Amino acid sequence: GENVEQHPSTLSVQEGDSAVIKCTYSDSASNYFPWYKQELGKRPQLIIDIRSNVGEKKDQRIAVTLNKTAKHFSLHITETQPEDSAVYFCAATGGYQKVTFGTGTKLQVIP
Amino acid sequence: GAGVSQTPSNKVTEKGKYVELRCDPISGHTALYWYRQSLGQGPEFLIYFQGTGAADDSGLPNDRFFAVRPEGSVSTLKIQRTERGDSAVYLCASSPGQGAYGYTFGSGTRLTVV
Repeated sequence: GENVEQHPSTLSVQEGDSAVIKCTYSDSASNYFPWYKQELGKRPQLIIDIRSNVGEKKDQRIAVTLNKTAKHFSLHITETQPEDSAVYFCAATGGYQKVTFGTGTKLQVIP
Repeated sequence: GAGVSQTPSNKVTEKGKYVELRCDPISGHTALYWYRQSLGQGPEFLIYFQGTGAADDSGLPNDRFFAVRPEGSVSTLKIQRTERGDSAVYLCASSPGQGAYGYTFGSGTRLTVV
């Protein structure tokens, strides 16, 4: 089955700096890669996703890149703000199958 | 409804008891997933329904866990003979089409087995 690894487990950045979270997956059949943000005690919320037919997707301060050959994908947050502080999860799926999540990255943005 | 609704939001039960957790998906969503999230971990897949049928139940940890979705809408996760290790947040998600594209999570049920 699919295995998703996520790094780093914790990340502290100064407000205004960029943050990068990296994930790798094992199943070459995976073709959909969503990212979720989870604040303490709340549900995971989809913030951006990418399908395997594109290499990069951007939405304001958030971007995701995908390298299918290397089986890795990354989340980039620019101009970080304190409200970006949360746990971020990457995930991978073949779309019509179960979604496998990474172990999460706790991001702390220091004002 | 406006979102995925899960009830109860919190459930405390004694070891050995039976519990039912309910998920009410967004109206019209055909795909429904159950996950379990332990503290500090990512959501762990349990079971996936497409309509009324379980398309993939490979994540159910053992035969104490069972889930149904009889009419293709509301789903119930059932846990028999609960154990302390079952304590976690149980999350439900639904999506409009086949599979996981753009699906939405509910707020979860926090289950505590004492």
